[in-house]
Amino acid sequence: GAVVSQHPSWVICKSGTSVKIECRSLDFQATTMFWYRQFPKQSLMLMATSNEGSKATYEQGVEKDKFLINHASLTLSTLTVTSAHPEDSSFYICSAIQTTNEKLFFGSGTQLSVL
Amino acid sequence: KQEVTQIPAALSVPEGENLVLNCSFTDSAIYNLQWFRQDPGKGLTSLLLIQSSQREQTSGRLNASLDKSSGRSTLYIAASQPGDSATYLCAVMGTNAGKSTFGDGTTLTVKP
Repeated sequence: GAVVSQHPSWVICKSGTSVKIECRSLDFQATTMFWYRQFPKQSLMLMATSNEGSKATYEQGVEKDKFLINHASLTLSTLTVTSAHPEDSSFYICSAIQTTNEKLFFGSGTQLSVL
Repeated sequence: KQEVTQIPAALSVPEGENLVLNCSFTDSAIYNLQWFRQDPGKGLTSLLLIQSSQREQTSGRLNASLDKSSGRSTLYIAASQPGDSATYLCAVMGTNAGKSTFGDGTTLTVKP
């Protein structure tokens, strides 16, 4: 089946640093990828839609300058949390749509802890 | 705006029981509905995908149904096992740009 690889799976960083998370579709091309954030014991909150070759579309309330998204190829989207602060600590998950069947496939997630 | 509700929020059953998880949505103009499983601290694993034109999908001990007109989907798990313990999420994909709205999930515990 289709696989979406997300890296790193966990990261601990100091407040004020930037962290980059990668999301790759390994065996299919994904013109659209999505980035979600999940707080403990809560469901997924869509942050933004990442479109290959164009600017990401952010959901209301999500700071685009804080969460930089780049979708430079059909298999890779990156999320950069800039100047991270403790309140940015969360579980971030990406997903990609396999265009042949419109099925969503998810990465394994990245647990970000900002000290 | 699509709203997705899952009931119950938590469920505990003894091993071997059959069970049903419920998902309801407010906007019936959907593209598809997908059920996922999430283990603690992990990503999501797709279980079943039902297209808007379909009524149900089956995979092994799992059966998912969709009634678009009433805005409901159920996930039926037969002969539950301790390994089925996880949080189950349903996601409704709208007809607009592939965005999906997730329910809050049902946390299932199957006791040996």
